[in-house]
Amino acid sequence: DIQMTQSPSTLSASVGDRVTITCRASQSLSSRLAWYQQKPGKAPKLLIYKASSLESGVPSRFSGSGSGTEFTLTVSSLQPDDFATYYCQQYNTFWTFGQGTKVEIK
Amino acid sequence: EVQLVESGGGLVQPGGSLRLSCAASGFTFSSYEINWVRQAPGKGLEWVSYVSGGGETTYYADSVKGRFTTSRDNAKNSLFLQMNSLRAEDTAAYYCARVNRGDQHFDYWGQGTLVTVSS
Repeated sequence: DIQMTQSPSTLSASVGDRVTITCRASQSLSSRLAWYQQKPGKAPKLLIYKASSLESGVPSRFSGSGSGTEFTLTVSSLQPDDFATYYCQQYNTFWTFGQGTKVEIK
Repeated sequence: EVQLVESGGGLVQPGGSLRLSCAASGFTFSSYEINWVRQAPGKGLEWVSYVSGGGETTYYADSVKGRFTTSRDNAKNSLFLQMNSLRAEDTAAYYCARVNRGDQHFDYWGQGTLVTVSS
């Protein structure tokens, strides 16, 4: 099974900050990695797929990078609507999620 | 507009059974693979099961293998998750999620249905 490790688990930031979340896989994924945003009581929302492709309708302040076993999600200038929990997901072999990163207000 | 709507959740005793449904609309249901994903209260996301577009192929997480069965009725644009021998650790919100056809990520999710296993 492929294990996904996200860091940090919690991130405190202010509006306007640049934030970066890291996701590491236990084996190579090529670029078969997605990022999702989830708010309390809501379903996850797709942000990024194929490691760096922005889903239609997602603001351009979100970006993804990486390949192989190390990936990052970056929010260039955090907005009030971005305070949420973020999950990475590998889909190279079945599907596995990272444990999540909660972005909270500093 | 693509929509996935889950139903069938509720309170069930340990050892009991429950059948979840996911009603799809806004796309050609039979052309898409669908998964079930769950989230225990305050916890992260866990992939549960997969079914191919025609329903002939299924996969399951080890945690539910032998207890859960996923199926679909393409004539009714519906997906099902039959859950037997339920345990307290199966308590979670259950989501159905569509697999993107050009890639394998999940592009649309339902709003979820809550299953509580408790005596």
